[in-house]
Amino acid sequence: ETGVTQSPTHLIKTRGQQVTLRCSSQSGHNTVSWYQQALGQGPQFIFQYYREEENGRGNFPPRFSGLQFPNYSSELNVNALELDDSALYLCASSRPGRLNQDGTQYFGPGTRLLVL
Amino acid sequence: GQNIDQPTEMTATEGAIVQINCTYQTSGFNGLFWYQQHAGEAPTFLSYNVLDGLEEKGRFSSFLSRSKGYSYLLLKELQMKDSASYLCAVNDNDMRFGAGTRLTVKP
Repeated sequence: ETGVTQSPTHLIKTRGQQVTLRCSSQSGHNTVSWYQQALGQGPQFIFQYYREEENGRGNFPPRFSGLQFPNYSSELNVNALELDDSALYLCASSRPGRLNQDGTQYFGPGTRLLVL
Repeated sequence: GQNIDQPTEMTATEGAIVQINCTYQTSGFNGLFWYQQHAGEAPTFLSYNVLDGLEEKGRFSSFLSRSKGYSYLLLKELQMKDSASYLCAVNDNDMRFGAGTRLTVKP
C-alpha cells in the first residue's frame, strides 16, 4: 500500500450532474496529481497541485477543477458530467516540488466513476 | 507531437524472460518511469531511469537511451502474478503515460 487514499471507491452519476472526488496524500508528500484513466488506456494527466496552487494542467476543459488543502489533501471536481467522463480517476502524491527530479508518484486505489 | 508508444499486448511463458519496449517523443525529459498495473487496481511504481543505462532491481531491470528516445523493461523468471499491464511514463514536467502493454504469463 502506498498510503494514498481516495474516496469514494465507486460512484454512479447521471449526465449533467456534478461530482467531487477526494484524495489524501502520503505522509511527507505535498504534491498531488490527478489522472483520468479510460478502460484500456494509460492515465491521462488532468492537473497537479503543489502547496495549494495548481501547478500544471493537461488537456482537460475548465469544468475539471481542483483544490488542495493545507494538510495536502485534494479534491477533484467535475461539473456538467458527460458520458465520456466515465473512467477511473487516480490521485498520485509525490515528494515536495514539481516533477523536476525523482518525482516518483505513488497512486491511490482510484475512484471508478460511471456516468449514465 | 508528443508520443509514448509501447506494444499493446505480449504473451510469455512462466519462468521465461520478456522485454517490453517503449519509445517516446516529448518536449522535455526529466526521467522515465515504469509502472505495473493489475486489472482494476492502481499503478504501482517499478523503476525510474534518468541517465542512460541499465537499472536493475531484483527480477526487473529497466534500460534507457535518451538519444534514441527508447527504454525497455526486462522481466526475468516470469511468474503468473506478473500478468498485468506495464505502463511507460515520461516526466516532462508533467507525467505522460503510454497506453500500457498487457502482459499475459502462461504456464
